[in-house]
Amino acid sequence: GAGVSQSPRYKVAKRGQDVALRCDPISGHVSLFWYQQALGQGPEFLTYFQNEAQLDKSGLPSDRFFAERPEGSVSTLKIQRTQQEDSAVYLCASSPLDRVVSGANVLTFGAGSRLTVL
Amino acid sequence: AQKITQTQPGMFVQEKEAVTLDCTYDTSDPSYGLFWYKQPSSGEMIFLIYQGSYDQQNATEGRYSLNFQKARKSANLVISASQLGDSAMYFCAMKGYSGAGSYQLTFGKGTKLSVIP
Repeated sequence: GAGVSQSPRYKVAKRGQDVALRCDPISGHVSLFWYQQALGQGPEFLTYFQNEAQLDKSGLPSDRFFAERPEGSVSTLKIQRTQQEDSAVYLCASSPLDRVVSGANVLTFGAGSRLTVL
Repeated sequence: AQKITQTQPGMFVQEKEAVTLDCTYDTSDPSYGLFWYKQPSSGEMIFLIYQGSYDQQNATEGRYSLNFQKARKSANLVISASQLGDSAMYFCAMKGYSGAGSYQLTFGKGTKLSVIP
């Protein structure tokens, strides 16, 4: 697609429910990132995929968070037994190359999924 | 570990004036890239400008320029001729080796810019 698409845009969950957030990156992009952005803060890194391989999950805050990208395109971030502190905007980003730091390998972000846990 | 510091939580600028948003960074990696993103109230992160650690010239993109001072580890964003549409959050970010197998983007806390008519 033309950009990074995320769904749902808004999700309200009761504490203890499981949620799944979807990311559709730009076609052909190798790298995919998930970030968590709390209100009034900068995005915090959660996890990174190179095609279907999850190479870095050091930012996932607990074992309730799980991400996958089984066919190297669409990715899903799953949060089990949601807690109030999980309320945030979850941003997905993709870039065309892997492990290249250059102006040609810019991360393009989606509009985010805003999760509110009651 | 990488760290980005933005010390200005909020800034005001008169329309048509220039404004500088501060950013300092810390990394032990000699190869890195510095990025500025704009986040309007709609929430999407919009890429503005990039500066590589080995680039000799300061980056410019239209009304945006990056004042890169490597020895001081600063990468300030300059917006010239501010417009009302520039009102948004601005984030400085650095991409470098994370030490955990990936080149992740590390963000600062952001600066909220308000353009006054």
